[in-house]
Amino acid sequence: DGGITQSPKYLFRKEGQNVTLSCEQNLNHDAMYWYRQDPGQGLRLIYYSQIVNDFQKGDIAEGYSVSREKKESFPLTVTSAQKNPTAFYLCASSSRGATSSGANVLTFGAGSRLTVL
Amino acid sequence: QKEVEQNSGPLSVPEGAIASLNCTYSDRGSQSFFWYRQYSGKSPELIMFIYSNGDKEDGRFTAQLNKASQYVSLLIRDSQPSDSATYLCAVRGSQGNLIFGKGTKLSVKP
Repeated sequence: DGGITQSPKYLFRKEGQNVTLSCEQNLNHDAMYWYRQDPGQGLRLIYYSQIVNDFQKGDIAEGYSVSREKKESFPLTVTSAQKNPTAFYLCASSSRGATSSGANVLTFGAGSRLTVL
Repeated sequence: QKEVEQNSGPLSVPEGAIASLNCTYSDRGSQSFFWYRQYSGKSPELIMFIYSNGDKEDGRFTAQLNKASQYVSLLIRDSQPSDSATYLCAVRGSQGNLIFGKGTKLSVKP
């Protein structure tokens, strides 16, 4: 079955540690996204990538880094510079399309919940 | 900066009733609109998308778009307890990303 796999599902981080969240998709989608969700809040865009070896900052990129070395993979690193990293992290992907059709439908992974100890 | 506004709720309806969820957006040039459902602790799942003025129906769900009023709504007919979730409205951004509202929590009482 095609889909998006995020790991780990739960992650605990100590102060000053960097942690990396994995996101892998087998949907052959070009675009991939990382969102952050805090309790009672909507999804906020951290980083996105429309093509391999290229990525762009979203609205809240500070304290995060990404890479896109393969089409299938878009890992997110939460660095020690992110002062409030406790949140639910969601990876998503979509096929690229210039039309207003469902080409921009985002498919989400199951999410990774990060807690700072 | 595009913005999407939703009433956070909770919206409580009895089983079998019609639930009406509303969303407004700030960018008049927005073209595509999406409704996602998110159960507590889970990731969002797509219900439907709409990009033309008027209504779009899929089973018990109807999305309504009024671009002149910058207003999108989602109607759920014959609401079931299993429909209890948070409903997220989203607008497509200029880079293909989606811009989300904060969501409306729906509670369907048996």
